[in-house]
Amino acid sequence: NAGVMQNPRHLVRRRGQEARLRCSPMKGHSHVYWYRQLPEEGLKFMVYLQKENIIDESGMPKERFSAEFPKEGPSILRIQQVVRGDSAAYFCASSPGEEANTEAFFGQGTRLTVV
Amino acid sequence: SQKIEQNSEALNIQEGKTATLTCNYTNYSPAYLQWYRQDPGRGPVFLLLIRENEKEKRKERLKVTFDTTLKQSLFHITASQPADSATYLCGGRNQAGTALIFGKGTTLSVSS
Repeated sequence: NAGVMQNPRHLVRRRGQEARLRCSPMKGHSHVYWYRQLPEEGLKFMVYLQKENIIDESGMPKERFSAEFPKEGPSILRIQQVVRGDSAAYFCASSPGEEANTEAFFGQGTRLTVV
Repeated sequence: SQKIEQNSEALNIQEGKTATLTCNYTNYSPAYLQWYRQDPGRGPVFLLLIRENEKEKRKERLKVTFDTTLKQSLFHITASQPADSATYLCGGRNQAGTALIFGKGTTLSVSS
């Protein structure tokens, strides 16, 4: 059973371009979380999705950021018109359900650099 | 607002000693807490989960406690080794149960 797959591992974008980060959860997992991590900081929650539904997007900036988890295919975190401040590591995690005793499985992250 | 806090950003100990990391939660009562290990350039890896009605849980050299009175969890690594050097994250569900939130982590360095 492959783990959570994120691609690309590294992404360089010029200011104003769009960044698309992909996350394929573990097989059988229908819950996906996205986090952002800056150096010397912890994981900051962005959004929680189930198949075709956004459950909680309270940690995601209202502008330029969007996320989806379609019925088929990976979850996508999209950042439009990137700025230097968007440079960070973005991690995706998946779990089989939302039960309290469910651990999250993380991918290796996408490191976004905006130049 | 609901918070999970790890007040020690860094902890340096000698090999063989016991490392103790602290996690505090404020403004809510999580039903459980989870501990993860993160190595540089890698994603976090799950270590242990403890429920609020469990006082203590062990796994090999790891031990976690949950004190609802102090609103605190302690994470212990006994007989620490240089290979234990990493950042350790404490996390739990928010009150609504819709997000898994984390503290900033404690970076442990074990010197030989």
